[in-house]
Amino acid sequence: SAVISQKPSRDICQRGTSLTIQCQVDSQVTMMFWYRQQPGQSLTLIATANQGSEATYESGFVIDKFPISRPNLTFSTLTVSNMSPEDSSIYLCSVEDPRGGPDEQYFGPGTRLTVT
Amino acid sequence: DAKTTQPPSMDCAEGRAANLPCNHSTISGNEYVYWYRQIHSQGPQYIIHGLKNNETNEMASLIITEDRKSSTLILPHATLRDTAVYYCIVRVDRDDKIIFGKGTRLHILP
Repeated sequence: SAVISQKPSRDICQRGTSLTIQCQVDSQVTMMFWYRQQPGQSLTLIATANQGSEATYESGFVIDKFPISRPNLTFSTLTVSNMSPEDSSIYLCSVEDPRGGPDEQYFGPGTRLTVT
Repeated sequence: DAKTTQPPSMDCAEGRAANLPCNHSTISGNEYVYWYRQIHSQGPQYIIHGLKNNETNEMASLIITEDRKSSTLILPHATLRDTAVYYCIVRVDRDDKIIFGKGTRLHILP
């Protein structure tokens, strides 16, 4: 299995500011994913981040608002830029099964963001 | 959009089997059925997946109909710790992104 940690676990930020969320994995993985979960809602995929290439964003999400870095096979960051209260959500990173099998995708514990 | 439909909520008595249905009538021949669950304040957790045969592991059983248009996740002896939102997902393989629907909120009643 893969163990994923995220920093910070939670934060309260003022509108107009930016927050960078870190995701660290204990195994090397090719694909990492970033999700958003708004209050009371399901998870929505923001982007897919492969090491060595630009992140691929889903419809409704843009790089200027959610820049992503993927400097190596165990780490990624997601920045939430120019925040507004609508960005208040839980942000989760996820990785593919590092063993190479088709079975699982592992999720981090999430970062709970509140924008005031 | 999610390719599955699930009831929004279900109740199950502790110790009984919890049977969670999922409809995926537009599933393609190369798509697997995956189940994940999300316990409150945690990230989603993989439960089980299958293509067309029934599958069982230490957590649950997955029953897929012969036409593959629906499936049922079975938790054989539900406990209070099984209270969670359960997501049924279809995807081709590990390189295919996971699209979450609304899921089923399962309440285990003591």
